Amino acid sequence: EPEVTQTPSHQVTQMGQEVILRCVPISNHLYFYWYRQILGQKVEFLVSFYNNEISEKSEIFDDQFSVERPDGSNFTLKIRSTKLEDSAMYFCASSENTHYEQYFGPGTRLTVT
Amino acid sequence: DQQVKQNSPSLSVQEGRISILNCDYTNSMFDYFLWYKKYPAEGPTFLISISSIKDKNEDGRFTVFLNKSAKHLSLHIVPSQPGDSAVYFCAARETPAGNEKLTFGTGTRLTIIP
Repeated sequence: EPEVTQTPSHQVTQMGQEVILRCVPISNHLYFYWYRQILGQKVEFLVSFYNNEISEKSEIFDDQFSVERPDGSNFTLKIRSTKLEDSAMYFCASSENTHYEQYFGPGTRLTVT
Repeated sequence: DQQVKQNSPSLSVQEGRISILNCDYTNSMFDYFLWYKKYPAEGPTFLISISSIKDKNEDGRFTVFLNKSAKHLSLHIVPSQPGDSAVYFCAARETPAGNEKLTFGTGTRLTIIP
């Protein structure tokens, strides 16, 4: 069964460093998303991406964040200068279209020290 | 800003019995609701969904009920099995189409007792 994959599973970085989280969405899906879950809190929407551009973003997704689909398969989330409060599980998701369910990857645990 | 609420942080149910997980929402623009199941160190796994034009959707052991007037939905699992032990999240999406973000509840940890 097709699935969303994410790498790395765990990333440790120092405050102020740049990180890139990678995702491979399901191949025939057209809509891509990033969510995050801070420990003990709920899953929060960050950004949605369609047709090579951001279609919606939350107030969390400020200028420190960017997304890219550099080729036909990868979807990346970049955090330019990480802060301690960026420590969270980051989930990538994809869907066939907006009317269908979103399928999530296993997540990347980001730890900022 | 808790637009989607799951008021029970945990629930324990005997194996073979019915598990009922509840979710309330406040945003009347929500038109599509989903339940996800999450094991530790894994991403949320889609279980079942329901559109606001329906009041019930069934898939095997899982049934979701929607009461729009009460802004309430529930997930029924019958019969409950040990593998159902996980955290269950209710999520919602609002109209218009194109607004794809999901708003999640805080989750209910379901434990099935053998």
